[in-house]
Amino acid sequence: DTEVTQTPKHLVMGMTNKKSLKCEQHMGHRAMYWYKQKAKKPPELMFVYSYEKLSINESVPSRFSPECPNSSLLNLHLHALQPEDSALYLCASSQVGGTSYEQYFGPGTRLTVT
Amino acid sequence: RKEVEQDPGPFNVPEGATVAFNCTYSNSASQSFFWYRQDCRKEPKLLMSVYSSGNEDGRFTAQLNRASQYISLLIRDSKLSDSATYLCVVNMGNYGGATNKLIFGTGTLLAVQP
Repeated sequence: DTEVTQTPKHLVMGMTNKKSLKCEQHMGHRAMYWYKQKAKKPPELMFVYSYEKLSINESVPSRFSPECPNSSLLNLHLHALQPEDSALYLCASSQVGGTSYEQYFGPGTRLTVT
Repeated sequence: RKEVEQDPGPFNVPEGATVAFNCTYSNSASQSFFWYRQDCRKEPKLLMSVYSSGNEDGRFTAQLNRASQYISLLIRDSKLSDSATYLCVVNMGNYGGATNKLIFGTGTLLAVQP
């Protein structure tokens, strides 16, 4: 089962709101990722968790706050976002280590900031 | 020079045609290589990993030339359902510990016409 689930599918939020995106996988993967994708662009890496610890932050603004409560779950907390943060937010997971492990993506959350 | 370069297309081909996508990468230390397919407003889905010996999966054939830092994807007998954006993806290897970083090409848009 190569399934990664994400909720919600769509989210509209104002610039003063606080919301969270959720991601879940049951493939036993110990690496999880957040990506941001704008229209007609490839995904851009935001954060990587390895064994539930943050291992990579690609200089993402602090208004995005990731959390990995356990090996199956990954959250992205959003606060005081800007309209330019509107995008598709993708979660992915993979095995850890090695060099040939594929990443599997969830369906994404389409975020609109008004 | 971009880390991963692809012709953005679009490639407009008739059903039944054979179409080839090419991709070059700049970092000779890159470890592994993938083709992902992304339908409009959907998540990237793994199509194939690419191995040095070349590999085939039905109508799809992937080739890797490490000396030329070049990856290709051949689709034979194109179907309408093959219409999508094809992303060339390179794994840069160990990055920030035990995890790996994927670098995405900008994608090549394929439109198969009836």
